Amino acid sequence: DAKTTQPNSMESNEEEPVHLPCNHSTISGTDYIHWYRQLPSQGPEYVIHGLTSNVNNRMASLAIAEDRKSSTLILHRATLRDAAVYYCILRDYGSGTYKYIFGTGTRLKVLA
Amino acid sequence: NAGVTQTPKFRVLKTGQSMTLLCAQDMNHEYMYWYRQDPGMGLRLIHYSVGEGTTAKGEVPDGYNVSRLKKQNFLLGLESAAPSQTSVYFCALRAQGETQYFGPGTRLLVL
Repeated sequence: DAKTTQPNSMESNEEEPVHLPCNHSTISGTDYIHWYRQLPSQGPEYVIHGLTSNVNNRMASLAIAEDRKSSTLILHRATLRDAAVYYCILRDYGSGTYKYIFGTGTRLKVLA
Repeated sequence: NAGVTQTPKFRVLKTGQSMTLLCAQDMNHEYMYWYRQDPGMGLRLIHYSVGEGTTAKGEVPDGYNVSRLKKQNFLLGLESAAPSQTSVYFCALRAQGETQYFGPGTRLLVL
């Protein structure tokens, strides 16, 4: 079962910031929080990941709560090309390797 | 897609037919994965490999077999296709830092 909880859908206006929340109350101390997004008719693509501290890259920022039970992906200025399904993922360790357990994600709609 | 290719892009099968999906990488990564994605759902792990000659079961392995005879290629086989296997199949490889790179997908329709 997915170890994360996300809203099914969100909307944003173009050029405005977007905050995509994720709850992961069962996270363990060594679990990284990963975010991927999936554009229509494409495979998922990596966005960002982090452990404890907030993280920034050219695509987005990741804000992690102090207790690590929730996180927020921040797109600073949404564009129409950011319309996608965003997945917040934790690793699941078993049989000697880490695996990702995908939930249903958040479908982001960007309004022009 | 970071050098991950999938063949074919689209296929229609009749129930009971067999086929093999090919995932190829032009890098040297050890870990490779096969996922399926049903409409409106997230991805589910079918099988994975941690290196040449190794394979292991994921969440939904029934009805599929895999092989990793060469490091660059990870094959997913359906011996006797069923309508329930209609899905989009994604291959992925794991790069440094656990980032996964996904292929473009194979759309499979089983009639």
